[in-house]
Amino acid sequence: SQELEQSPQSLIVQEGKNLTINCTSSKTLYGLYWYKQKYGEGLIFLMMLQKGGEEKSHEKITAKLDEKKQQSSLHITASQPSHAGIYLCGAPKLSFGAGTTVTVRA
Amino acid sequence: DSGVTQTPKHLITATGQRVTLRCSPRSGDLSVYWYQQSLDQGLQFLIQYYNGEERAKGNILERFSAQQFPDLHSELNLSSLELGDSALYFCASSVSDHNEQFFGPGTRLTVL
Repeated sequence: SQELEQSPQSLIVQEGKNLTINCTSSKTLYGLYWYKQKYGEGLIFLMMLQKGGEEKSHEKITAKLDEKKQQSSLHITASQPSHAGIYLCGAPKLSFGAGTTVTVRA
Repeated sequence: DSGVTQTPKHLITATGQRVTLRCSPRSGDLSVYWYQQSLDQGLQFLIQYYNGEERAKGNILERFSAQQFPDLHSELNLSSLELGDSALYFCASSVSDHNEQFFGPGTRLTVL
């Protein structure tokens, strides 16, 4: 099965600072999802990347998939308390990383 | 609100029992996926159905089974429950295999 490793496991940032989460696959990715989850709740879809080198942005969140399609990053600019939560990367068919817990300090 | 509904929200039962979890996908979505999320295992894919047919299988135990009905709603049946089956069970739906999956709010199962 396809293993997805996320790093870091958790991070704490000061409000207004930037942060980056990485997702690395043991195999070539044919697509990658990023989701956000509040503890104990459902997953909220953020972005889907399918092509090598693809980059997508939504509000202050940018996700990239590298050319080799084995690594993706999620970058949040000028973090806000609303960005706090657990971020998960997932591959179609159908494994997910363990998640990165983001805490934003006011 | 993703448009995916799951019932019940919470379920408490005893070891050895059998339960059924229900999922209604978003209108127009043909694919339904089931996931199990526990603290030690993270989010694990169990099974996918597409338009009533099983499409993909993940780490689903033999004690677990699922089906998708003609109206596209799906049920996940868990039998001979063990303490370790306590987890959040999520259903997700998508238009097809290559589209984003929208997750339901989950069913929290507690096995005592």
